[in-house]
Amino acid sequence: SQKIEQNSEALNIQEGKTATLTCNYTNYSPAYLQWYRQDPGRGPVFLLLIRENEKEKRKERLKVTFDTTLKQSLFHITASQPADSATYLCALDNNDMRFGAGTRLTVKP
Amino acid sequence: GAGVSQSPSNKVTEKGKDVELRCDPISGHTALYWYRQSLGQGLEFLIYFQGNSAPDKSGLPSDRFSAERTGGSVSTLTIQRTQQEDSAVYLCASSLYLGGAGELFFGEGSRLTVL
Repeated sequence: SQKIEQNSEALNIQEGKTATLTCNYTNYSPAYLQWYRQDPGRGPVFLLLIRENEKEKRKERLKVTFDTTLKQSLFHITASQPADSATYLCALDNNDMRFGAGTRLTVKP
Repeated sequence: GAGVSQSPSNKVTEKGKDVELRCDPISGHTALYWYRQSLGQGLEFLIYFQGNSAPDKSGLPSDRFSAERTGGSVSTLTIQRTQQEDSAVYLCASSLYLGGAGELFFGEGSRLTVL
């Protein structure tokens, strides 16, 4: 069956450290992979898109990698701040868009 | 409008009643998606539209759920004979492109509570 798994439900880190979130998938062959941020009571907000032929994408303090052999994407937030605390979701294209369950990140001051 | 608009933002209904949720996507966006999010859970895919067409309805949880899109714009998600397990936030998103080529813009959701 098709699965999208995000490494952990919750991740706690200290301000200034790098947060690394994992998205693993099985029985998908996505041409694109996206990452979203969701704050409590709000809809998800798009962060980054990476294509299957791209290994890495950066945007400010964010970095995404996409390994189609390992069927895995890593999402990094460098120099993390308390304002980065949120739930982060990965999404794969399947004609439609399917989401992982998300990882709740808490950055402590 | 500037973004995706959903209504109502909150709906409390009695078990057995029908409800209709509305999504007004960003103008010109071809693709429209409906998701359901229960408290503390991830996004459960329900259905997507390419224009007015829904190629795959298998994500709908039961035959009590239906959705339509008219004029390539507004979409409605209808739940008949609501049950308590239907209580959730229903999120709509639109995108310029189908699949993952374009970012999804989400509305703020319709929170449904079935008593």
